[in-house]
Amino acid sequence: QQQVKQSPQSLIVQKGGISIINCAYENTAFDYFPWYQQFPGKGPALLIAIRPDVSEKKEGRFTISFNKSAKQFSLHIMDSQPGDSATYFCAARLTSNTGKLIFGQGTTLQVKP
Amino acid sequence: DTEVTQTPKHLVMGMTNKKSLKCEQHMGHRAMYWYKQKAKKPPELMFVYSYEKLSINESVPSRFSPECPNSSLLNLHLHALQPEDSALYLCASSQGVGANTEAFFGQGTRLTVV
Repeated sequence: QQQVKQSPQSLIVQKGGISIINCAYENTAFDYFPWYQQFPGKGPALLIAIRPDVSEKKEGRFTISFNKSAKQFSLHIMDSQPGDSATYFCAARLTSNTGKLIFGQGTTLQVKP
Repeated sequence: DTEVTQTPKHLVMGMTNKKSLKCEQHMGHRAMYWYKQKAKKPPELMFVYSYEKLSINESVPSRFSPECPNSSLLNLHLHALQPEDSALYLCASSQGVGANTEAFFGQGTRLTVV
C-alpha cells in the first residue's frame, strides 16, 4: 500500500508554542521523507527532509523525528510564529528510482498571536 | 538558486481551447515532474521525465500531453479539458530520480476551465 497517513488535519497553536504533525506509512519501500510548507496560492516549498538511517534532524526551529520500527515520522516546530501559519505536507519517496513522492493529506497550521 | 519558474501564473480556458503550461529550471536538474493539486488536497503526480525521456505517466487522460524539449524546459499541452480539470498545476525538478534527490516545486499555474 503506497499510503502516507498524516495527522492532525488542522492544528491551532499559540505563538511561542510547539507544533507537532505526525505521519505514518506502511510500505517499507520508501527511502526519503521530506516535509513541505505551502502558503495559499503558492507552490510547496521544501522545509526539511530525513533519510531512514537517521532518527532525528534539526534545522533551526524545525525538527524531524523518525521511528523506523514504528514506521512513523513527525515534524516539530519550536517557538511557533504567526508566519508559520501554512499547510504542511509530509511525503515519502519510493526506492524504485522513479522520483515518485507520496504525499500525506496535509495539516493546516494556524499560529495565533 | 533553487528556482523553478512556471508560466503563466493564471490561465482561464474554454473546453475547446488548446493551451500550454511552461516550466523552466536552471539548476542542472535532469528530472522534471508535473503534479496536479486540487484545493485542500495534496499534490498528485502526473508525469515524470528523466533525462528528457518520459519515465512515468500516472494514467493521465490524453487531453494532457507533456513535452520535454530539453533538460531545462518542461511543457504541458492542454486540449479539450473539462471543468473538473481546474486545479493548481505544479512543476517540480530534482537532480535525478534516485537517492539524494530533493524535489523543488514551482509556484504553479492556477488553471480554470470554463
